[in-house]
Amino acid sequence: KQEVTQIPAALSVPEGENLVLNCSFTDSAIYNLQWFRQDPGKGLTSLLLIQSSQREQTSGRLNASLDKSSGRSTLYIAASQPGDSATYLCAVSGTASKLTFGTGTRLQVTL
Amino acid sequence: DGGITQSPKYLFRKEGQNVTLSCEQNLNHDAMYWYRQDPGQGLRLIYYSQIVNDFQKGDIAEGYSVSREKKESFPLTVTSAQKNPTAFYLCASSWTGGNQPQHFGDGTRLSIL
Repeated sequence: KQEVTQIPAALSVPEGENLVLNCSFTDSAIYNLQWFRQDPGKGLTSLLLIQSSQREQTSGRLNASLDKSSGRSTLYIAASQPGDSATYLCAVSGTASKLTFGTGTRLQVTL
Repeated sequence: DGGITQSPKYLFRKEGQNVTLSCEQNLNHDAMYWYRQDPGQGLRLIYYSQIVNDFQKGDIAEGYSVSREKKESFPLTVTSAQKNPTAFYLCASSWTGGNQPQHFGDGTRLSIL
Protein backbone atom coordinates (compact mmCIF):
# COMPACT_ATOMS: atom_id res chain seq x y z
CA LYS A 1 0.00 0.00 0.00
CA GLN A 2 1.35 3.41 -0.99
CA GLU A 3 2.33 5.70 1.87
CA VAL A 4 3.29 9.34 1.49
CA THR A 5 5.23 11.26 4.14
CA GLN A 6 5.90 14.99 4.30
CA ILE A 7 8.61 16.57 6.38
CA PRO A 8 8.57 18.94 8.19
CA ALA A 9 4.98 19.04 9.46
CA ALA A 10 5.29 22.77 10.07
CA LEU A 11 7.76 25.44 9.06
CA SER A 12 8.12 29.13 9.85
CA VAL A 13 10.50 31.31 7.83
CA PRO A 14 11.11 35.05 7.47
CA GLU A 15 10.02 36.77 4.30
CA GLY A 16 12.49 36.53 1.44
CA GLU A 17 13.98 33.22 2.45
CA ASN A 18 14.26 30.31 0.02
CA LEU A 19 12.84 27.06 1.36
CA VAL A 20 12.42 23.38 0.54
CA LEU A 21 9.53 21.10 1.40
CA ASN A 22 10.06 17.36 1.29
CA CYS A 23 7.82 14.49 0.22
CA SER A 24 8.63 10.78 0.19
CA PHE A 25 6.60 7.81 -1.02
CA THR A 26 7.04 4.07 -0.56
CA ASP A 27 5.98 2.63 -3.95
CA SER A 28 7.86 3.99 -6.96
CA ALA A 29 5.24 2.67 -9.43
CA ILE A 30 3.51 6.03 -9.91
CA TYR A 31 2.10 7.90 -12.90
CA ASN A 32 2.76 11.34 -11.52
CA LEU A 33 3.20 13.46 -8.41
CA GLN A 34 1.25 16.60 -7.69
CA TRP A 35 1.90 19.44 -5.28
CA PHE A 36 -1.12 21.31 -3.93
CA ARG A 37 -1.69 24.37 -1.80
CA GLN A 38 -4.51 24.55 0.75
CA ASP A 39 -5.57 27.72 2.53
CA PRO A 40 -7.46 27.33 5.86
CA GLY A 41 -11.02 26.09 5.34
CA LYS A 42 -10.58 25.94 1.57
CA GLY A 43 -10.14 23.35 -1.13
CA LEU A 44 -6.90 22.42 -2.83
CA THR A 45 -5.20 24.39 -5.57
CA SER A 46 -2.94 22.43 -7.91
CA LEU A 47 0.53 23.98 -8.09
CA LEU A 48 2.64 21.56 -10.13
CA LEU A 49 2.29 18.11 -11.66
CA ILE A 50 5.39 16.07 -12.48
CA GLN A 51 4.97 13.08 -14.73
CA SER A 52 6.83 9.93 -13.74
CA SER A 53 9.17 10.35 -16.73
CA GLN A 54 10.09 13.92 -15.75
CA ARG A 55 12.67 15.16 -13.26
CA GLU A 56 11.28 18.60 -12.48
CA GLN A 57 8.66 21.23 -13.20
CA THR A 58 8.77 24.96 -12.67
CA SER A 59 6.09 27.61 -12.27
CA GLY A 60 7.15 31.09 -11.31
CA ARG A 61 8.93 30.96 -7.95
CA LEU A 62 8.09 27.27 -7.51
CA ASN A 63 10.23 24.35 -8.62
CA ALA A 64 9.35 20.73 -7.95
CA SER A 65 11.72 17.82 -8.47
CA LEU A 66 11.05 14.11 -8.63
CA ASP A 67 13.41 11.19 -8.01
CA LYS A 68 11.15 8.24 -8.62
CA SER A 69 13.73 5.57 -7.93
CA SER A 70 14.40 6.87 -4.42
CA GLY A 71 10.75 7.80 -3.80
CA ARG A 72 11.39 11.48 -3.15
CA SER A 73 10.15 14.85 -4.29
CA THR A 74 10.98 18.37 -3.19
CA LEU A 75 9.13 21.64 -3.61
CA TYR A 76 11.43 24.63 -3.71
CA ILE A 77 9.94 28.07 -3.05
CA ALA A 78 12.16 31.00 -3.92
CA ALA A 79 12.01 34.39 -2.22
CA SER A 80 9.12 33.47 0.06
CA GLN A 81 6.31 35.98 0.69
CA PRO A 82 3.65 36.21 3.43
CA GLY A 83 1.07 35.25 0.78
CA ASP A 84 2.80 31.87 0.48
CA SER A 85 1.58 30.97 3.97
CA ALA A 86 -0.61 27.87 3.59
CA THR A 87 -0.49 24.10 3.91
CA TYR A 88 1.33 22.34 1.09
CA LEU A 89 0.28 18.80 0.19
CA CYS A 90 1.94 16.32 -2.10
CA ALA A 91 0.07 13.42 -3.67
CA VAL A 92 1.09 10.53 -5.90
CA SER A 93 -1.08 9.02 -8.59
CA GLY A 94 -1.39 5.29 -9.07
CA THR A 95 -3.94 3.38 -11.11
CA ALA A 96 -7.19 5.03 -12.27
CA SER A 97 -5.75 8.43 -11.37
CA LYS A 98 -6.31 7.69 -7.69
CA LEU A 99 -4.29 10.02 -5.49
CA THR A 100 -2.57 9.12 -2.23
CA PHE A 101 -1.86 12.21 -0.14
CA GLY A 102 0.70 13.13 2.45
CA THR A 103 -0.36 14.90 5.65
CA GLY A 104 1.03 18.23 4.51
CA THR A 105 3.52 20.87 5.60
CA ARG A 106 2.05 23.98 7.22
CA LEU A 107 4.12 26.97 6.11
CA GLN A 108 4.12 30.38 7.74
CA VAL A 109 6.11 33.22 6.19
CA THR A 110 6.62 36.07 8.64
CA LEU A 111 7.26 39.75 7.94
CA ASP B 1 -16.06 30.42 -15.14
CA GLY B 2 -15.36 26.69 -15.21
CA GLY B 3 -15.01 24.97 -11.90
CA ILE B 4 -16.32 22.66 -9.22
CA THR B 5 -19.14 23.73 -6.91
CA GLN B 6 -19.74 22.02 -3.60
CA SER B 7 -22.78 22.74 -1.47
CA PRO B 8 -23.59 23.43 1.21
CA LYS B 9 -20.44 24.91 2.73
CA TYR B 10 -21.51 23.81 6.23
CA LEU B 11 -23.81 20.91 7.10
CA PHE B 12 -25.08 19.51 10.37
CA ARG B 13 -26.29 15.97 10.87
CA LYS B 14 -28.48 14.58 13.59
CA GLU B 15 -28.00 11.08 14.95
CA GLY B 16 -29.51 8.45 12.65
CA GLN B 17 -29.91 10.86 9.77
CA ASN B 18 -28.62 10.52 6.21
CA VAL B 19 -27.27 13.69 4.59
CA THR B 20 -26.27 14.36 1.00
CA LEU B 21 -23.40 16.56 -0.14
CA SER B 22 -23.61 18.07 -3.59
CA CYS B 23 -20.78 18.29 -6.13
CA GLU B 24 -21.25 19.80 -9.59
CA GLN B 25 -18.59 20.48 -12.23
CA ASN B 26 -18.75 22.34 -15.55
CA LEU B 27 -15.27 21.37 -16.71
CA ASN B 28 -16.60 18.49 -18.84
CA HIS B 29 -14.35 16.12 -16.89
CA ASP B 30 -15.06 12.42 -17.09
CA ALA B 31 -13.73 11.46 -13.65
CA MET B 32 -14.94 12.65 -10.26
CA TYR B 33 -13.75 11.88 -6.74
CA TRP B 34 -14.77 12.30 -3.12
CA TYR B 35 -12.18 12.71 -0.36
CA ARG B 36 -12.42 13.09 3.38
CA GLN B 37 -9.98 15.27 5.33
CA ASP B 38 -9.50 14.98 9.09
CA PRO B 39 -7.25 17.26 11.19
CA GLY B 40 -3.64 16.14 11.04
CA GLN B 41 -4.35 13.55 8.35
CA GLY B 42 -4.01 13.58 4.63
CA LEU B 43 -6.99 13.34 2.31
CA ARG B 44 -8.47 9.85 2.05
CA LEU B 45 -10.41 8.63 -0.98
CA ILE B 46 -14.04 7.63 -0.35
CA TYR B 47 -15.43 6.92 -3.85
CA TYR B 48 -14.50 7.72 -7.41
CA SER B 49 -16.18 7.53 -10.80
CA GLN B 50 -14.54 7.49 -14.21
CA ILE B 51 -17.72 7.39 -16.29
CA VAL B 52 -21.43 8.02 -15.92
CA ASN B 53 -23.37 5.24 -14.18
CA ASP B 54 -20.20 3.63 -12.84
CA PHE B 55 -18.24 4.21 -9.63
CA GLN B 56 -15.75 2.38 -7.41
CA LYS B 57 -15.03 2.29 -3.70
CA GLY B 58 -11.98 4.06 -2.42
CA ASP B 59 -10.10 3.38 0.80
CA ILE B 60 -12.83 4.37 3.27
CA ALA B 61 -16.20 3.74 1.53
CA GLU B 62 -18.01 2.18 4.51
CA GLY B 63 -20.94 4.33 5.63
CA TYR B 64 -21.04 6.33 2.40
CA SER B 65 -22.89 6.01 -0.92
CA VAL B 66 -22.70 7.83 -4.26
CA SER B 67 -24.44 8.04 -7.61
CA ARG B 68 -23.29 9.23 -11.04
CA GLU B 69 -26.40 9.73 -13.15
CA LYS B 70 -25.02 12.78 -14.97
CA LYS B 71 -21.51 13.60 -16.09
CA GLU B 72 -21.46 16.89 -14.21
CA SER B 73 -22.84 15.65 -10.88
CA PHE B 74 -21.49 13.26 -8.23
CA PRO B 75 -23.44 13.54 -4.95
CA LEU B 76 -22.20 11.87 -1.78
CA THR B 77 -24.58 10.54 0.88
CA VAL B 78 -23.26 10.14 4.40
CA THR B 79 -25.45 7.45 5.92
CA SER B 80 -26.29 6.77 9.56
CA ALA B 81 -23.90 3.81 9.33
CA GLN B 82 -20.97 6.24 9.27
CA LYS B 83 -20.30 6.56 12.98
CA ASN B 84 -17.70 9.32 12.79
CA PRO B 85 -18.85 11.62 9.98
CA THR B 86 -17.42 14.89 11.32
CA ALA B 87 -14.85 15.96 8.74
CA PHE B 88 -14.11 18.23 5.80
CA TYR B 89 -15.31 16.67 2.53
CA LEU B 90 -13.68 17.56 -0.77
CA CYS B 91 -14.85 16.77 -4.28
CA ALA B 92 -12.50 16.71 -7.25
CA SER B 93 -12.65 16.07 -10.98
CA SER B 94 -10.20 15.35 -13.79
CA TRP B 95 -9.87 14.03 -17.31
CA THR B 96 -9.31 10.28 -17.42
CA GLY B 97 -6.01 8.77 -18.46
CA GLY B 98 -2.67 9.19 -16.80
CA ASN B 99 -1.07 12.52 -15.90
CA GLN B 100 -4.25 14.51 -15.57
CA PRO B 101 -4.33 16.95 -12.64
CA GLN B 102 -7.26 16.84 -10.29
CA HIS B 103 -9.20 20.05 -9.65
CA PHE B 104 -10.90 20.55 -6.30
CA GLY B 105 -13.99 22.29 -4.98
CA ASP B 106 -14.01 24.42 -1.83
CA GLY B 107 -15.31 21.64 0.40
CA THR B 108 -18.19 20.95 2.76
CA ARG B 109 -17.67 20.84 6.51
CA LEU B 110 -19.95 18.28 8.15
CA SER B 111 -20.61 18.30 11.88
CA ILE B 112 -22.75 16.26 14.24
CA LEU B 113 -25.49 17.96 16.25
